[in-house]
Amino acid sequence: AQSVTQPDIHITVSEGASLELRCNYSYGATPYLFWYVQSPGQGLQLLLKYFSGDTLVQGIKGFEAEFKRSQSSFNLRKPSVHWSDAAEYFCAVGIEGFKTIFGAGTRLFVKA
Amino acid sequence: NAGVTQTPKFQVLKTGQSMTLQCAQDMNHEYMSWYRQDPGMGLRLIHYSVGAGITDQGEVPNGYNVSRSTTEDFPLRLLSAAPSQTSVYFCASSLTPNPRETQYFGPGTRLLVL
Repeated sequence: AQSVTQPDIHITVSEGASLELRCNYSYGATPYLFWYVQSPGQGLQLLLKYFSGDTLVQGIKGFEAEFKRSQSSFNLRKPSVHWSDAAEYFCAVGIEGFKTIFGAGTRLFVKA
Repeated sequence: NAGVTQTPKFQVLKTGQSMTLQCAQDMNHEYMSWYRQDPGMGLRLIHYSVGAGITDQGEVPNGYNVSRSTTEDFPLRLLSAAPSQTSVYFCASSLTPNPRETQYFGPGTRLLVL
């Protein structure tokens, strides 16, 4: 069955430190992969997406993600975290049948 | 463009009551969907629509009905509310049903069923 796993429920990083959020998926065909961000009390906003081609994709707000087919992973990174990055981050995979499967989310806390 | 709008923002229901959550988009998107968000479970798809007059079930459809009479509107109906339906509900839309498409989300409706 298709699934998306985000192993870390929450992560705390210091402002200015680097960030990596992990995402693993289970899907038999070529995945369409997404990272969304949700600020408190808001809906989700797309950070970046991957379909094919270069496995390192750039997104908004200085985020990037790398697709590794051999590891079924699509980890999100940012070299220097800002306090405004504190939010919940969702990894998702678009599958056939007009559906998207979301991971459970990782909440990011940023300390000064 | 207003994007995706949802009403109400908050609602409290008693067990057994019915209600409709409204969702509208002004982007002429073909695809619309409803998700519920529960702690530790991410977003789960309730129902979706690939165009006016066409709807289908998602992962957790029980207790919910939808219809799509226009491209713009996609209301979600709770037939007889249960405490297990306490959740945050998000409506989303995308230009086409292609799984490559970015989904645009509304601000959510927070529902409490007592």
